[in-house]
Amino acid sequence: AQSVTQLDSQVPVFEEAPVELRCNYSSSVSVYLFWYVQYPNQGLQLLLKYLSGSTLVKGINGFEAEFNKSQTSFHLRKPSVHISDTAEYFCAVRKETSGSRLTFGEGTQLTVNP
Amino acid sequence: GAGVSQSPSNKVTEKGKDVELRCDPISGHTALYWYRQRLGQGLEFLIYFQGNSAPDKSGLPSDRFSAERTGESVSTLTIQRTQQEDSAVYLCASSLRQIWDTQYFGPGTRLTVL
Repeated sequence: AQSVTQLDSQVPVFEEAPVELRCNYSSSVSVYLFWYVQYPNQGLQLLLKYLSGSTLVKGINGFEAEFNKSQTSFHLRKPSVHISDTAEYFCAVRKETSGSRLTFGEGTQLTVNP
Repeated sequence: GAGVSQSPSNKVTEKGKDVELRCDPISGHTALYWYRQRLGQGLEFLIYFQGNSAPDKSGLPSDRFSAERTGESVSTLTIQRTQQEDSAVYLCASSLRQIWDTQYFGPGTRLTVL
């Protein structure tokens, strides 16, 4: 069963526009949530993570995400994107009962156009 | 300091041959993970090492896949009698311990089985 769903496979936006990349998860146990970014021809890099505490998490490069337990969502947002934000973004979940493994969504390709 | 490194970066092989993929984790990281990323898909968990033991190898897709780790250092993923469906990018990650710690990813090995 799919544990992580990224609702948009591709998101094209213009430079300086706001963007939201959506992520929903399914779990009956506590989860820890992550967003990773993969720039062209590079490895995965952690953007931000939610372990506990404040549901609004700020990450690198001006990104933030909000954990919504009732809606089982962890959407990623940025108020104004740059061309350099063009990359693939992956949402990942670690369940309290699944040890250390991460379960990834299928990714969202963000393309920022001039 | 140095990040996670993987070799080779690219591997092309013929169906039926065996391949070995290598991962050098960040020095001092006791936890090591292997994932597979098929074209257009998210990452699939394969196996997790804590030190040189593998408490979770439930993601290995078949008995053609095996992995070992020397102490808290290098890990090798071996695929025997490769099949075309094994074509993917194989990613290695390491973390300081487990559960709470960020997983840092290597650049991956792109395996193509002809």
